[in-house]
Amino acid sequence: DAGVIQSPRHEVTEMGQEVTLRCKPISGHNSLFWYRQTMMRGLELLIYFNNNVPIDDSGMPEDRFSAKMPNASFSTLKIQPSEPRDSAVYFCASSFRLSTPYSGANVLTFGAGSRLTVL
Amino acid sequence: QQQVKQSPQSLIVQKGGIPIINCAYENTAFDYFPWYQQFPGKGPALLIAIRPDVSEKKEGRFTISFNKSAKQFSLHIMDSQPGDSATYFCAASPYGGTASKLTFGTGTRLQVTL
Repeated sequence: DAGVIQSPRHEVTEMGQEVTLRCKPISGHNSLFWYRQTMMRGLELLIYFNNNVPIDDSGMPEDRFSAKMPNASFSTLKIQPSEPRDSAVYFCASSFRLSTPYSGANVLTFGAGSRLTVL
Repeated sequence: QQQVKQSPQSLIVQKGGIPIINCAYENTAFDYFPWYQQFPGKGPALLIAIRPDVSEKKEGRFTISFNKSAKQFSLHIMDSQPGDSATYFCAASPYGGTASKLTFGTGTRLQVTL
């Protein structure tokens, strides 16, 4: 299994430009998460999907951020327009969510991240 | 509101030492406590997890200690090695980990020197 695949690994853009980050979760996983990591705020959950449906987007900082999951094997996180304060590493993670407590089945598998720099 | 507080922010130990990372939580609904390890340029990866009906769990050189009444848990790394140098995150979840929403601590950057 190739794991969670994210692209691009690095993105440098100018303020005001649109940024699209992509994620391919592990095949068979039914939950997908987008996290943002910064030195100041650590790992923040932006949004997560179960079975391709957005469940909780309360972590999305502003309307400039949007996420989609058109099918079980692909998700995007879009920032439009981007701002310098959006600079961070964005992680996608997936898991197979079961209803059995303590089963360990909900272990998050993270991708390698997309490092975004907005100038 | 930060629901999982982690300390210290950074830690330097010599090889063979026993670094200890502490976490405290507020939400009494949390009942599943994993630790994630992150190497530079990589995403976090699950290291070890504990449920609140046990006070300690060991996996190799890694041990979680759990104090339910104090709402605290900690990670100990026995005989630490330079290869353990990484950032460690504690986390918490309700419903035995079946809840999709995992709350992370702010991370501890560990450096193990020779």
